[in-house]
Amino acid sequence: RKEVEQDPGPFNVPEGATVAFNCTYSNSASQSFFWYRQDCRKEPKLLMSVYSSGNEDGRFTAQLNRASQYISLLIRDSKLSDSATYLCVVNTNAGKSTFGDGTTLTVKP
Amino acid sequence: ETGVTQSPTHLIKTRGQQVTLRCSSQSGHNTVSWYQQALGQGPQFIFQYYREEENGRGNFPPRFSGLQFPNYSSELNVNALELDDSALYLCASSLGTSWNEQFFGPGTRLTVL
Repeated sequence: RKEVEQDPGPFNVPEGATVAFNCTYSNSASQSFFWYRQDCRKEPKLLMSVYSSGNEDGRFTAQLNRASQYISLLIRDSKLSDSATYLCVVNTNAGKSTFGDGTTLTVKP
Repeated sequence: ETGVTQSPTHLIKTRGQQVTLRCSSQSGHNTVSWYQQALGQGPQFIFQYYREEENGRGNFPPRFSGLQFPNYSSELNVNALELDDSALYLCASSLGTSWNEQFFGPGTRLTVL
């Protein structure tokens, strides 16, 4: 079993749809959590950090559930430009960073 | 652009050879992390350097080694290349070791024949 697991998708949604991704992690010592976005053949870029209380950035909302060891990303009012692969990242204070394999989103007109 | 640069962009090597990849971190950043990304997978953590010392390591064999220089640029060295080492190698720079936002370079695509 992988330390960080994501549904690979692909998720194909129409513009304006709401879509949610989940990511589960197995290391209970994990301390910090992020969502990154990676466009085809490009480097990952930070989308948002994930805080215990949940956080929102425009159309994007991230949640953390430590008890169940998962994080989520909700995208509202999807745009064509949201098409990408979304990577969750889980870090421990022991200097280890673990990425999921990503969830692919395609937003169609 | 992030200000993180990597060289070379592409590289072709044969099995058994050695390779050195280079990364210049963003100005003001003192931490560099290296990742290997195979096609269709997420980046796999190789190791992290903070102020010239290795600060953490993933599940990679000792033939993967690194250095960080006083200007915080970094090198990744891979000895005895294997076919499975073919991948995109990404470096990311950040400030400190508390896992703040990481800024990735464009990567080096390594092909081992």
